[in-house]
Amino acid sequence: AQRVTQPEKLLSVFKGAPVELKCNYSYSGSPELFWYVQYSRQRLQLLLRHISRESIKGFTADLNKGETSFHLKKPFAQEEDSAMYYCALSSRSGGGADGLTFGKGTHLIIQP
Amino acid sequence: EAGVTQSPTHLIKTRGQQATLRCSPISGHTSVYWYQQALGLGLQFLLWYDEGEERNRGNFPPRFSGRQFPNYSSELNVNALELEDSALYLCASSLGWGGYTFGSGTRLTVV
Repeated sequence: AQRVTQPEKLLSVFKGAPVELKCNYSYSGSPELFWYVQYSRQRLQLLLRHISRESIKGFTADLNKGETSFHLKKPFAQEEDSAMYYCALSSRSGGGADGLTFGKGTHLIIQP
Repeated sequence: EAGVTQSPTHLIKTRGQQATLRCSPISGHTSVYWYQQALGLGLQFLLWYDEGEERNRGNFPPRFSGRQFPNYSSELNVNALELEDSALYLCASSLGWGGYTFGSGTRLTVV
């Protein structure tokens, strides 16, 4: 069974400080990993996916298959980054059959 | 381009009743996913519809069911409502590669 773990329910950092939101996964096959974000009073939206290897809003995430991790990082936090962040996994071989498996989420608070 | 739309925004039902939730995907998306976001439990996969067929379901009892119409819109039905069914129900549509676009959700309250 696949599982996604986000060990921190809440993460508070000061503006300008580096941010790292942790995500570990358990899956025997070849996964697709995603980060979704939900800003206050907005819908859940895709932030980035590991396959595209892009930086969105200054955030990056690298898939580490050895450590089964997909941590989200940003070198300098901004107040507008305050939001709920969810790590998610899709079983690529299943073609989406199992949907996305989400972690419980990390509430990121950027203090001024 | 219109996003994923869900209706109603809020729904209040009595225990034992049935609830019907609706979702319209992004134009061109054939896959619709339903998720339950209950307090403390995170996002739980409920159902996946593609091309009018139920392709998979999560670990939920049979009283959670639904369908997908020829225009790819979808309906989620919850029968014999229980208090624990109170949650935010999210619908998402996808082109199939996992980059889901979510709706704003329907807040179901069972009293």
